[in-house]
Formats: sequence, C-alpha cells, structure tokens
Amino acid sequence: DIQMTQSPSSLSASVGDRVTITCRASQSISKYLNWYQQKPGKAPKFLIYAASRLQRGVPSRFSGSGSGTDFTLTISSLQPEDFATYYCQQSYSSPAYTFGQGTKLEIK
Amino acid sequence: QVQLVQSGAEVKKPGASMQVSCKASGYIFSRYAMHWVRQAPGQRLEWMGWINVGNGNTEYSQKFQGRVTISRNTSASTAYMELSSLASEDTAVYYCARGDYYDPSGSHHHFDYWGQGTLVTVSS
Repeated sequence: DIQMTQSPSSLSASVGDRVTITCRASQSISKYLNWYQQKPGKAPKFLIYAASRLQRGVPSRFSGSGSGTDFTLTISSLQPEDFATYYCQQSYSSPAYTFGQGTKLEIK
Repeated sequence: QVQLVQSGAEVKKPGASMQVSCKASGYIFSRYAMHWVRQAPGQRLEWMGWINVGNGNTEYSQKFQGRVTISRNTSASTAYMELSSLASEDTAVYYCARGDYYDPSGSHHHFDYWGQGTLVTVSS
C-alpha cells in the first residue's frame, strides 16, 4: 500500500495566520490527492480533490498544491471554524485508498 | 441535499458479527459508488472497501478480505457493511462515504459526502 505521511502532526496557530500542512506519499501518486477536514465527534468534510481543485462551497482561503509525492494544504487566513484535524488521502492506488495520519490544528 | 444516514451504535462481543446500514437520499443512488471507512479511537481513517452501486461489484481492502461484505438494496437506497469475527481492535467509528471521481477512467475516487458515523464497540 502507498503510505501517506503528514507534517506536522500538530500545529498551533492564531486566527488570521497563514498555515501550511504537508502530505508526502511513499511513491508518486500524480495529482490523485484529496484533503478532508474533521472536527471532534464529526464525520470528515471533503475539501479538495485532484491536489488543487476546491470542492463546491469550500471557502477560497483553502488551497492545495503539489504533484508526484509532495503536496500542501494552505489556509490563507485562519478562521475560528478552521481549527480541526486535516487528513490527506491518495486515490491513485485504486481501490487501495490510504490516508495520512492527520494534522491537528489548534488555537494558539 | 445529499444525506447519508447510518444506523445506530452497537456493542458486540468478540467473535460476533456486525452490520451497519447507510441510507442515501438527495441523489440517484445507483449513479455513485459507496465506500466504507473506519476510524479507531485516536487513529487515522482506514478504507475498508467499496461497492459499485449500479452493478453491485465490490472490492475490499486486503486487510479485511474474507471478513467484510458490502452490499446494497437499490430499491431502498441503502448500503450495508457487515464485518465478521470481531475483535477488540475492531472497536471504531464506521463511516459510509459516497465515492465520486473526476477523471474519465471512473477510478480514483474521492469521498464527497459522509454518513454521521456508527460507533461499534467490541467488548466481552
């Protein structure tokens, strides 16, 4: 299986900050990389697909980039509702989909 | 609006089987895949398998092969996931998630809508 590794595992930031989360795949996955947001006790929410395409309704402060093995999720100006755990997921190795371990974004 | 509503929490004994249902609404059920993903306490999301709702074909993670069965009832717009031979390590929240894709191959799914999750606790 393709291993997905996120960094950092946790991150403290303030409202208004710009933050970047990194996701690395154990082999090239082209642009088959998706991002999700999960709040405690809730189901994941789909944010970005194909590395950089924003799902409808997701605020434009979220953006994604990358290809091959290295990807980033950037939040340009943190809002209070953005504090959550973020997961990347590769969809290259269909159907053996795998997720990163998550990055917990906390309020500083 | 798209909704996936799952069955309620369960407590199971080791060795037993479990079944979680996922009722879909707000879209044409047969036109999208349905995946199952679980999350053990404090752990990452783990993909279990999926069903092509249109033709009923299934594929499973090697980790769960032989223990998991995914099915659907198209007339009820409901998908099911059954997991057998339960052990304490199967204690987790189980999610159904609708699969969609953007490339012409029809593979490479992302999960655009999720059920609310079903907590299954395995304990003697």
